[in-house]
Amino acid sequence: LAKTTQPISMDSYEGQEVNITCSHNNIATNDYITWYQQFPSQGPRFIIQGYKTKVTNEVASLFIPADRKSSTLSLPRVSLSDTAVYYCLVGGAAGNKLTFGGGTRVLVKP
Amino acid sequence: DTEVTQTPKHLVMGMTNKKSLKCEQHMGHRAMYWYKQKAKKPPELMFVYSYEKLSINESVPSRFSPECPNSSLLNLHLHALQPEDSALYLCASSQDRAYEQYFGPGTRLTVT
Repeated sequence: LAKTTQPISMDSYEGQEVNITCSHNNIATNDYITWYQQFPSQGPRFIIQGYKTKVTNEVASLFIPADRKSSTLSLPRVSLSDTAVYYCLVGGAAGNKLTFGGGTRVLVKP
Repeated sequence: DTEVTQTPKHLVMGMTNKKSLKCEQHMGHRAMYWYKQKAKKPPELMFVYSYEKLSINESVPSRFSPECPNSSLLNLHLHALQPEDSALYLCASSQDRAYEQYFGPGTRLTVT
């Protein structure tokens, strides 16, 4: 079972880049890595998903090293509205467990 | 339509009540999930349905009973709950097991 750990909290300022690393030492061969954003009293919202190397979409980038034991979510030029909790989720393939990290509270300051 | 809807939004129930939570999606997704989330904690997976069949039950107590009547609907039947079951219950769906999940807004459940 992949134990998934993240920093508890992180502060940043508007316009800066925020990088959040998730550690998943026991990731299975066919597990995916997915990141979600959650605001209070709302369901998590999908940000990005990857399997290996680098994935980029219009809101974020995901970096996964060759050993896949960690992953880093990169949020470019954050704004106040990016203040939220960010979760990594490891797993997803049929038969595999789904394990959320503990979540990282990101506070973006003006 | 990329929305997952959940009803009710809030539910207060006594320990002897029977109630149900409902989840619906019309995205043609074939995997549906129930999660439980306590305050300031990550969601905890409870059940996964894949192609309308229960594929994962994370050792959830029998007082929680899931049901998938068709590919668009997912229910969670609740009976004889305990106060510690009070939480936000989230439903999610995905195209298939390995794809990104779309979450509903959740049902805030309080057991008195």
